[in-house]
Amino acid sequence: QSALTQPPSVSGSPGQSVTISCTGTSSDVGSYNRVSWYQQPPGTAPKLMIYEVTNRPSGVPDRFSGSKSGNTASLTISGLQAEDEADYYCSSYTASSTYVFGTGTKVTVL
Amino acid sequence: EVQLVESGGGLVKAGGSLKLSCAASGFTFKNHPMNWVRQAPGKGLEWLSSISSSGSYIYYGDSVKGRFTISRDNARSSLFLQMNSLRGDDTAVYYCVREFRVTFDSWGQGTLVTVSS
Repeated sequence: QSALTQPPSVSGSPGQSVTISCTGTSSDVGSYNRVSWYQQPPGTAPKLMIYEVTNRPSGVPDRFSGSKSGNTASLTISGLQAEDEADYYCSSYTASSTYVFGTGTKVTVL
Repeated sequence: EVQLVESGGGLVKAGGSLKLSCAASGFTFKNHPMNWVRQAPGKGLEWLSSISSSGSYIYYGDSVKGRFTISRDNARSSLFLQMNSLRGDDTAVYYCVREFRVTFDSWGQGTLVTVSS
């Protein structure tokens, strides 16, 4: 199972919006609405930010939103804040009843 | 509060074995599938294995299939990962992860496994 493809890095100034893409195949992202996004600041464990493509867990700011089109899912951070600087990973359920993570994206707040 | 506490990591020689444990508290352990995920130094996340709430269904990633074994003890709210034939590329932080609605909603702090040659 190959990792989902994410851009290595994205950046934006405070208040701007950034979007991270997550490209898979018809055997994972394209077939299931089981895409999640995780935030991982340096030296910490990942934290769930989005599940089932668009849903935010309690406590996650509504600046974070998710979407999907075909084999590509996306995470958008609106109104970027300094505290959003972290690595972000997508994940998807697969046709083999397994899971696959994305390659990870470093978000930098300029 | 959900708590997942991993233990059992450490330094092991290539070809050796190690067993990781995860103590769960703050939720009804027997109701949730559980997973192991790892992260090599400076690298991304890699899903390793999942086990259903009853233990009846188990899945592995290709990189650990045949070498690692996941198990659970619902009476003791514990998750385990038996790792055999360890290699240098198994060096990583290993996370115990709770699954809810086909997502990973709670993570432990991780335990470091270092495989030396």
